[in-house]
Amino acid sequence: KQEVTQIPAALSVPEGENLVLNCSFTDSAIYNLQWFRQDPGKGLTSLLLIQSSQREQTSGRLNASLDKSSGRSTLYIAASQPGDSATYLCVGYGGSQGNLIFGKGTKLSVKP
Amino acid sequence: NAGVMQNPRHLVRRRGQEARLRCSPVKGHSHVYWYRQLPEEGLKFMVYLQKENIIDESGMPKERFSAEFPKEGPSILRIQQVVRGDSAAYFCASSPNTGGLYNEQFFGPGTRLTVL
Repeated sequence: KQEVTQIPAALSVPEGENLVLNCSFTDSAIYNLQWFRQDPGKGLTSLLLIQSSQREQTSGRLNASLDKSSGRSTLYIAASQPGDSATYLCVGYGGSQGNLIFGKGTKLSVKP
Repeated sequence: NAGVMQNPRHLVRRRGQEARLRCSPVKGHSHVYWYRQLPEEGLKFMVYLQKENIIDESGMPKERFSAEFPKEGPSILRIQQVVRGDSAAYFCASSPNTGGLYNEQFFGPGTRLTVL
Protein backbone atom coordinates (compact mmCIF):
# COMPACT_ATOMS: atom_id res chain seq x y z
CA LYS A 1 0.00 0.00 0.00
CA GLN A 2 1.44 3.32 -1.06
CA GLU A 3 2.08 5.80 1.72
CA VAL A 4 3.62 9.25 1.61
CA THR A 5 5.66 10.57 4.53
CA GLN A 6 6.72 14.16 4.96
CA ILE A 7 9.57 15.30 7.15
CA PRO A 8 9.65 17.47 9.15
CA ALA A 9 6.05 17.77 10.29
CA ALA A 10 6.66 21.39 11.27
CA LEU A 11 9.40 23.88 10.58
CA SER A 12 10.02 27.41 11.83
CA VAL A 13 12.71 29.53 10.20
CA PRO A 14 13.70 33.20 10.09
CA GLU A 15 12.99 35.15 6.96
CA GLY A 16 15.57 34.82 4.20
CA GLU A 17 16.66 31.26 4.88
CA ASN A 18 16.83 28.63 2.17
CA LEU A 19 15.04 25.48 3.19
CA VAL A 20 14.27 21.95 2.07
CA LEU A 21 11.12 19.95 2.66
CA ASN A 22 11.31 16.20 2.29
CA CYS A 23 8.86 13.64 1.05
CA SER A 24 9.24 9.88 0.75
CA PHE A 25 6.92 7.19 -0.54
CA THR A 26 6.85 3.51 0.28
CA ASP A 27 6.38 2.24 -3.25
CA SER A 28 8.71 3.61 -5.90
CA ALA A 29 5.97 2.95 -8.47
CA ILE A 30 4.89 6.55 -8.22
CA TYR A 31 3.84 8.08 -11.48
CA ASN A 32 3.63 11.85 -11.13
CA LEU A 33 4.41 13.85 -8.02
CA GLN A 34 2.89 17.18 -7.10
CA TRP A 35 3.52 19.73 -4.37
CA PHE A 36 0.64 21.82 -3.05
CA ARG A 37 0.35 24.63 -0.59
CA GLN A 38 -2.57 24.85 1.83
CA ASP A 39 -3.28 27.94 3.92
CA PRO A 40 -5.31 27.51 7.14
CA GLY A 41 -8.97 26.89 6.38
CA LYS A 42 -8.35 27.23 2.66
CA GLY A 43 -8.12 25.03 -0.41
CA LEU A 44 -5.12 23.62 -2.23
CA THR A 45 -2.83 25.68 -4.41
CA SER A 46 -0.76 23.68 -6.86
CA LEU A 47 2.91 24.66 -6.79
CA LEU A 48 4.77 22.19 -8.98
CA LEU A 49 3.89 19.01 -10.84
CA ILE A 50 6.66 16.61 -11.81
CA GLN A 51 5.44 14.31 -14.52
CA SER A 52 6.65 10.75 -14.87
CA SER A 53 9.27 11.53 -17.50
CA GLN A 54 10.72 14.47 -15.55
CA ARG A 55 13.09 14.70 -12.61
CA GLU A 56 12.53 18.26 -11.46
CA GLN A 57 10.47 21.39 -11.91
CA THR A 58 11.19 25.02 -11.06
CA SER A 59 8.93 27.99 -10.52
CA GLY A 60 10.35 31.22 -9.16
CA ARG A 61 11.93 30.54 -5.77
CA LEU A 62 10.67 26.94 -5.73
CA ASN A 63 12.38 23.86 -7.05
CA ALA A 64 11.09 20.33 -6.70
CA SER A 65 12.94 17.16 -7.56
CA LEU A 66 11.87 13.55 -7.81
CA ASP A 67 14.06 10.47 -7.47
CA LYS A 68 11.91 7.46 -8.23
CA SER A 69 14.67 4.95 -7.53
CA SER A 70 14.92 6.04 -3.91
CA GLY A 71 11.27 7.00 -3.54
CA ARG A 72 12.03 10.56 -2.52
CA SER A 73 11.11 14.09 -3.47
CA THR A 74 12.34 17.40 -2.12
CA LEU A 75 10.92 20.89 -2.32
CA TYR A 76 13.51 23.63 -2.11
CA ILE A 77 12.39 27.14 -1.17
CA ALA A 78 14.95 29.87 -1.68
CA ALA A 79 15.06 33.10 0.31
CA SER A 80 11.98 32.30 2.37
CA GLN A 81 9.44 35.03 3.12
CA PRO A 82 6.70 35.34 5.77
CA GLY A 83 4.15 34.90 2.96
CA ASP A 84 5.51 31.39 2.44
CA SER A 85 4.03 30.34 5.78
CA ALA A 86 1.58 27.55 5.06
CA THR A 87 1.31 23.77 5.06
CA TYR A 88 3.07 22.11 2.14
CA LEU A 89 1.63 18.86 0.86
CA CYS A 90 3.45 16.23 -1.13
CA VAL A 91 1.11 14.19 -3.32
CA GLY A 92 1.80 11.03 -5.27
CA TYR A 93 -0.06 9.89 -8.35
CA GLY A 94 -0.02 6.16 -7.82
CA GLY A 95 -3.35 4.99 -6.56
CA SER A 96 -4.89 1.94 -8.08
CA GLN A 97 -7.43 3.92 -10.09
CA GLY A 98 -5.54 7.13 -10.52
CA ASN A 99 -6.45 8.60 -7.15
CA LEU A 100 -3.89 10.73 -5.33
CA ILE A 101 -2.06 9.80 -2.16
CA PHE A 102 -1.38 12.67 0.20
CA GLY A 103 1.25 13.18 2.84
CA LYS A 104 0.16 14.87 6.07
CA GLY A 105 2.16 17.93 5.20
CA THR A 106 4.93 20.10 6.59
CA LYS A 107 3.69 23.16 8.43
CA LEU A 108 6.08 25.99 7.64
CA SER A 109 6.34 29.20 9.61
CA VAL A 110 8.65 31.93 8.33
CA LYS A 111 9.24 34.63 10.91
CA PRO A 112 10.01 38.22 9.93
CA ASN B 1 -12.43 29.40 -17.94
CA ALA B 2 -13.74 28.54 -14.51
CA GLY B 3 -11.94 26.01 -12.39
CA VAL B 4 -13.55 23.41 -10.17
CA MET B 5 -16.50 24.87 -8.29
CA GLN B 6 -17.79 23.52 -5.01
CA ASN B 7 -20.81 24.62 -3.07
CA PRO B 8 -21.61 25.36 -0.47
CA ARG B 9 -18.25 26.49 0.86
CA HIS B 10 -19.44 26.06 4.43
CA LEU B 11 -22.24 23.79 5.61
CA VAL B 12 -23.57 23.37 9.12
CA ARG B 13 -25.82 20.43 9.97
CA ARG B 14 -27.22 18.97 13.16
CA ARG B 15 -26.71 15.33 13.97
CA GLY B 16 -29.09 13.15 11.99
CA GLN B 17 -29.61 15.58 9.13
CA GLU B 18 -28.48 15.07 5.55
CA ALA B 19 -25.60 16.90 3.89
CA ARG B 20 -25.34 17.39 0.12
CA LEU B 21 -22.09 18.65 -1.31
CA ARG B 22 -21.87 19.72 -4.93
CA CYS B 23 -18.95 19.78 -7.32
CA SER B 24 -18.86 21.20 -10.84
CA PRO B 25 -15.70 20.05 -12.62
CA VAL B 26 -13.62 22.09 -15.01
CA LYS B 27 -15.55 22.43 -18.26
CA GLY B 28 -14.80 19.44 -20.43
CA HIS B 29 -13.47 17.26 -17.60
CA SER B 30 -15.27 13.95 -17.25
CA HIS B 31 -13.46 12.53 -14.22
CA VAL B 32 -14.28 13.59 -10.67
CA TYR B 33 -12.59 12.60 -7.42
CA TRP B 34 -13.71 13.32 -3.85
CA TYR B 35 -11.26 13.58 -0.95
CA ARG B 36 -11.87 14.15 2.76
CA GLN B 37 -9.61 16.01 5.17
CA LEU B 38 -10.36 15.34 8.81
CA PRO B 39 -9.07 17.89 11.35
CA GLU B 40 -5.28 17.70 11.68
CA GLU B 41 -5.14 14.89 9.11
CA GLY B 42 -4.03 14.58 5.51
CA LEU B 43 -6.46 14.31 2.62
CA LYS B 44 -7.80 10.83 1.99
CA PHE B 45 -9.32 9.53 -1.22
CA MET B 46 -13.02 8.69 -1.05
CA VAL B 47 -14.44 8.01 -4.50
CA TYR B 48 -13.68 8.34 -8.21
CA LEU B 49 -16.47 8.86 -10.70
CA GLN B 50 -16.88 9.29 -14.40
CA LYS B 51 -20.12 10.44 -15.98
CA GLU B 52 -22.88 8.12 -14.72
CA ASN B 53 -20.37 5.60 -13.34
CA ILE B 54 -18.63 4.98 -10.05
CA ILE B 55 -15.15 3.72 -10.91
CA ASP B 56 -13.65 3.30 -7.45
CA GLU B 57 -15.38 3.83 -4.12
CA SER B 58 -12.85 2.01 -1.99
CA GLY B 59 -12.34 5.05 0.24
CA MET B 60 -16.01 5.65 1.01
CA PRO B 61 -17.44 4.65 4.37
CA LYS B 62 -19.75 1.68 3.87
CA GLU B 63 -22.81 3.34 5.30
CA ARG B 64 -24.50 6.74 4.99
CA PHE B 65 -22.21 8.01 2.21
CA SER B 66 -23.02 7.99 -1.49
CA ALA B 67 -21.83 9.82 -4.57
CA GLU B 68 -23.08 10.38 -8.08
CA PHE B 69 -21.99 12.16 -11.23
CA PRO B 70 -25.00 12.37 -13.53
CA LYS B 71 -24.90 12.92 -17.26
CA GLU B 72 -26.01 16.50 -16.70
CA GLY B 73 -25.21 18.63 -13.69
CA PRO B 74 -22.68 18.55 -10.88
CA SER B 75 -21.31 15.63 -8.96
CA ILE B 76 -23.04 15.18 -5.58
CA LEU B 77 -21.57 13.73 -2.41
CA ARG B 78 -24.40 12.85 -0.06
CA ILE B 79 -24.06 12.08 3.62
CA GLN B 80 -27.14 10.79 5.37
CA GLN B 81 -27.77 11.00 9.12
CA VAL B 82 -24.60 12.98 9.77
CA VAL B 83 -22.60 12.47 12.96
CA ARG B 84 -20.00 14.72 14.57
CA GLY B 85 -17.21 12.58 13.14
CA ASP B 86 -18.27 13.63 9.64
CA SER B 87 -17.07 17.18 10.35
CA ALA B 88 -14.28 17.72 7.86
CA ALA B 89 -13.27 19.53 4.70
CA TYR B 90 -14.42 17.75 1.55
CA PHE B 91 -12.46 18.47 -1.60
CA CYS B 92 -13.42 17.68 -5.14
CA ALA B 93 -10.95 17.36 -8.00
CA SER B 94 -11.45 16.87 -11.71
CA SER B 95 -9.26 15.68 -14.54
CA PRO B 96 -9.66 15.46 -18.30
CA ASN B 97 -10.26 12.25 -20.15
CA THR B 98 -7.09 12.12 -22.23
CA GLY B 99 -6.59 8.40 -22.03
CA GLY B 100 -4.07 8.24 -19.22
CA LEU B 101 -4.71 7.03 -15.71
CA TYR B 102 -2.66 9.74 -14.04
CA ASN B 103 -3.85 12.98 -15.55
CA GLU B 104 -3.29 16.07 -13.46
CA GLN B 105 -6.13 16.70 -11.04
CA PHE B 106 -7.44 20.20 -10.41
CA PHE B 107 -8.92 20.94 -7.01
CA GLY B 108 -11.89 22.95 -5.89
CA PRO B 109 -11.87 25.20 -2.81
CA GLY B 110 -13.54 22.57 -0.65
CA THR B 111 -16.70 22.41 1.44
CA ARG B 112 -16.24 22.63 5.18
CA LEU B 113 -18.89 20.58 6.93
CA THR B 114 -19.56 21.17 10.60
CA VAL B 115 -21.90 18.83 12.44
CA LEU B 116 -23.33 20.21 15.65
